[in-house]
Amino acid sequence: DTEVTQTPKHLVMGMTNKKSLKCEQHMGHRAMYWYKQKAKKPPELMFVYSYEKLSINESVPSRFSPECPNSSLLNLHLHALQPEDSALYLCASSHRTSGSYEQYFGPGTRLTVT
Amino acid sequence: TQLLEQSPQFLSIQEGENLTVYCNSSSVFSSLQWYRQEPGEGPVLLVTVVTGGEVKKLKRLTFQFGDARKDSSLHITAAQPGDTGLYLCAGVPPHQETSGSRLTFGEGTQLTVNP
Repeated sequence: DTEVTQTPKHLVMGMTNKKSLKCEQHMGHRAMYWYKQKAKKPPELMFVYSYEKLSINESVPSRFSPECPNSSLLNLHLHALQPEDSALYLCASSHRTSGSYEQYFGPGTRLTVT
Repeated sequence: TQLLEQSPQFLSIQEGENLTVYCNSSSVFSSLQWYRQEPGEGPVLLVTVVTGGEVKKLKRLTFQFGDARKDSSLHITAAQPGDTGLYLCAGVPPHQETSGSRLTFGEGTQLTVNP
């Protein structure tokens, strides 16, 4: 099973709202990722958690706050977002296998900030 | 910074035609992955190539990793409308951590196969 699940599928929020995106995987992967993707562009890395510790923060604004409660779950807390933050937010996970570092993506959360 | 140049950016062809997508870099990658993404969905991993010169086949799709591990290609034979999507190549730079890797993505190829 190579499934990564994300909820919600769609989210509309105002600029003063607080919301959270959730991601779950049960593949035993010890690395989890948040990406932001604009239409017809490749995903842009935001955060990497390795063994439940934040290992990479790609200079993401503090209005995005990641959390990794355990090895299967990854959250992205959103607060005071801007309209330009509207995008598809993707979660992924990986486990080193034969040096390939394959990443498996979830279906994404389509976020609209109004 | 390692870059992956992917070409062409857009490709519109008729059903039954063949096509090739290229992914090139001046840097070496320890492995390279190809993904296909449909609108509103996450990228789906198609294949990973690890060894220089490696060729992998997935039904009508043929993937090749360059001998020097700096480039890769995806060839589709007899394309079908179901092949429509955004194709992304993504490379893993050498000397990554055991778990938790920063992928370098190409800009993507938007393929449309018309019936």
